[in-house]
Amino acid sequence: SQELEQSPQSLIVQEGKNLTINCTSSKTLYGLYWYKQKYGEGLIFLMMLQKGGEEKSHEKITAKLDEKKQQSSLHITASQPSHAGIYLCGAVLSYGGSQGNLIFGKGTKLSVKP
Amino acid sequence: NAGVMQNPRHLVRRRGQEARLRCSPMKGHSHVYWYRQLPEEGLKFMVYLQKENIIDESGMPKERFSAEFPKEGPSILRIQQVVRGDSAAYFCASSQLQTWGNQPQHFGDGTRLSIL
Repeated sequence: SQELEQSPQSLIVQEGKNLTINCTSSKTLYGLYWYKQKYGEGLIFLMMLQKGGEEKSHEKITAKLDEKKQQSSLHITASQPSHAGIYLCGAVLSYGGSQGNLIFGKGTKLSVKP
Repeated sequence: NAGVMQNPRHLVRRRGQEARLRCSPMKGHSHVYWYRQLPEEGLKFMVYLQKENIIDESGMPKERFSAEFPKEGPSILRIQQVVRGDSAAYFCASSQLQTWGNQPQHFGDGTRLSIL
């Protein structure tokens, strides 16, 4: 089973509408990262969350990490065509040792209709 | 202020040939990670390196794949005797310190490997 579940898998919204993408794990998230990927391109770092209850915003995008540190949400307010792409959550699921790799969800494909 | 640089962007190889993928981390970053993205699948970790050391290769296939990060020069992901199943996008990421939830990894644009 997938260690990080993202929902929904895909989303089509009308320009100007708000939307939320979720990322859930059965394990503690020691660090939660949100990235955006456009087709055929690399990943653009959006935000990093570490502490339970933490919330960060950048322009019209807000990300939250729940108190239990097992779920994160990404909220986009007043969506624009420039927000279209694939949103990926990545996380550190074990702490310490020599591991530093991120586990990723399968992504949420967002389309914004003008 | 260059980001993570990967080359080539696209690489075509015939079955049985070797593929070499290069990654130069961001300035000041000494931790490099390689990931593979197969069609319709998520990003999967392959290997984590620091200068001259492989720290974690738990995601690397046991055969044909190797990685290095020499003292001078870029990190190299090498695939010998490529097969069709190796077709994928290979991404490199770098961080300033080890990622334990408090350091972002910054990604390159990837190398898209196609096997004929």
